[in-house]
Order: sequence, then structure tokens, then C-alpha cells
Amino acid sequence: GQQVMQIPQYQHVQEGEDFTTYCNSSTTLSNIQWYKQRPGGHPVFLIQLVKSGEVKKQKRLTFQFGEAKKNSSLHITATQTTDVGTYFCAPRTGANSKLTFGKGITLSVRP
Amino acid sequence: DTEVTQTPKHLVMGMTNKKSLKCEQHMGHRAMYWYKQKAKKPPELMFVYSYEKLSINESVPSRFSPECPNSSLLNLHLHALQPEDSALYLCASRHEGQGNTGELFFGEGSRLTVL
Repeated sequence: GQQVMQIPQYQHVQEGEDFTTYCNSSTTLSNIQWYKQRPGGHPVFLIQLVKSGEVKKQKRLTFQFGEAKKNSSLHITATQTTDVGTYFCAPRTGANSKLTFGKGITLSVRP
Repeated sequence: DTEVTQTPKHLVMGMTNKKSLKCEQHMGHRAMYWYKQKAKKPPELMFVYSYEKLSINESVPSRFSPECPNSSLLNLHLHALQPEDSALYLCASRHEGQGNTGELFFGEGSRLTVL
């Protein structure tokens, strides 16, 4: 399946700090989705990015798709304890139904 | 809460048992997925059904047998599993008419332990 790099695997921040994570691909993507999985929970869809350079915001979360459609970022402003969880990117290259996930980054927030 | 319902939530089985995991959705989605997730790992795609036909099998061992009886139901039949098959099994659905876009809706998963 499509290989993407999500590094680091874990990030620990102080509540109120900003947080950014990246998803990098060696090939051009058709689109990319982001999911969040809370501890003990199931993945929940956050956003889908399709267009080159696209930026979408959801409250304190900002998602960006690179101009070359090979990378994507998730930025959280002023983290809160409710942001704790693992964030996965899920890239697509083809036209089929296949959706695979990056390794994810697990965010912990110190109150 | 999720609109994709998985049963059972927990299952413990021996290596000689035969059991099934069930998934149901009533959102009219025509694509349904099985994923396997081990602890601290991402979901790993197993099978995809599109319009009740198996469209993707990610080289899954035959001890896992999927079935899609109708557009709302997806089963995963388990037989002669190994302890390393212990994992969270996640079902997901998607509105197929969106090409390769469209979000996945996940169920809460069935946590399987093989003794």
C-alpha cells in the first residue's frame, strides 16, 4: 500500500502549547484524510484534503495539503487535554476503495 | 457513538473454535471494510467489499473468511486462529459513489483474544 512517513511516533506537550505533525509521501497523492483515535476508542474521521495547497480549519485544528500533494500537516493551536489521542493520516493514490493508514502520532498533553 | 455497530464487543476463543464477528450499518453505504489493529499500531486493511462483492483482499490468511450477506451486513468468520491473531477488529463503511474520496465510518470494534 501507499507508504507515508509520520514522525515522530509520540509527542508530549504542555497544555496550551501548539503542536504540529506531518505526513510525508514519496509519491503524489490524490487526496489525504486525517483520523483521530482516542485511547480505547475507534478512529474518527477529521478531514479530507483534495486540492494542491488546500488549507482547512476546524476550530483549533488546521490541516494543510502541500503544493506538490506529497505531504500534509496538522497543526493544533493551544492544545487541550481533550486533544489526547493518536492522529493518523490516510493517503490515497489510486481510484479504488483502498485506504491505508500511516503509523500515527500519539499526542499526550500535560495539564 | 457510531452508526456502525459491531458485535460482539469482546470475544475470547480457543484455537480450535469457530466464531464470527458481525458488523451492521444502515447509512446506505455500499463499501464495507475490515481492519485489524494491534496495540500501538495503525489499523491494517484486511478486506474491502464494494456493492456486496469482495474487491480487495490484502493477502489475509484463509482462517479469516469475510462475508457480505447484503448491503447492510458484513461478517468475518474465524476458524483455527492463532494467538497472534488477537487484536481489535474494526469494521468501517463508506459511501461508495464518491470514487476514491469519502470518509470511513468506523464501528467501535470487536476485541478478540485467542487462547
